[in-house]
Amino acid sequence: RKEVEQDPGPFNVPEGATVAFNCTYSNSASQSFFWYRQDCRKEPKLLMSVYSSGNEDGRFTAQLNRASQYISLLIRDSKLSDSATYLCVATGGGNKLTFGTGTQLKVEL
Amino acid sequence: DTGVSQNPRHKITKRGQNVTFRCDPISEHNRLYWYRQTLGQGPEFLTYFQNEAQLEKSRLLSDRFSAERPKGSFSTLEIQRTEQGDSAMYLCASSLEGVGTEAFFGQGTRLTVV
Repeated sequence: RKEVEQDPGPFNVPEGATVAFNCTYSNSASQSFFWYRQDCRKEPKLLMSVYSSGNEDGRFTAQLNRASQYISLLIRDSKLSDSATYLCVATGGGNKLTFGTGTQLKVEL
Repeated sequence: DTGVSQNPRHKITKRGQNVTFRCDPISEHNRLYWYRQTLGQGPEFLTYFQNEAQLEKSRLLSDRFSAERPKGSFSTLEIQRTEQGDSAMYLCASSLEGVGTEAFFGQGTRLTVV
């Protein structure tokens, strides 16, 4: 079983739609969680950290459920520019970042 | 530019040759990570350093791979006797020590083994 698992997609959604991505992690000792965004042939960049209380940044909302070892990302009012791969990340021992496979999002007109 | 810098950006090599990549992290970051990424996959952990100490190396990494960070600043990743399966994007990232700290990535070195 992979340490961090995501549905690879692709998710094809119309502009303005709301889309949700889910992720599970296997290491119950993981302490930090993130969503990174990766554009085609570019390096990953931090989208947002994920906190136990849930957090929101504009159109983006991240949630963490430690009991179920589950992380989610909600994108409201999708824009064409949101098209990218979204990587779920959990930290392992020594704060090593472990990435999921990534979920591909395509926002269409 | 004070971000993470990787050189070269692209490398084409013949099977069996050795290659070395360099990563210059953000100057105040004491943690440095190497990842490998192939098409359609997320970054796969290779190894990481805290200052000059190599704290962990992936058990998936063969003995042909070695990394160093001699003075706790820049790092090198060497692949000996390259194989076609080594073709990938090699990403370096750096961060401060501590829970919840963001890792910043370089633009990567794309390796093609022919």
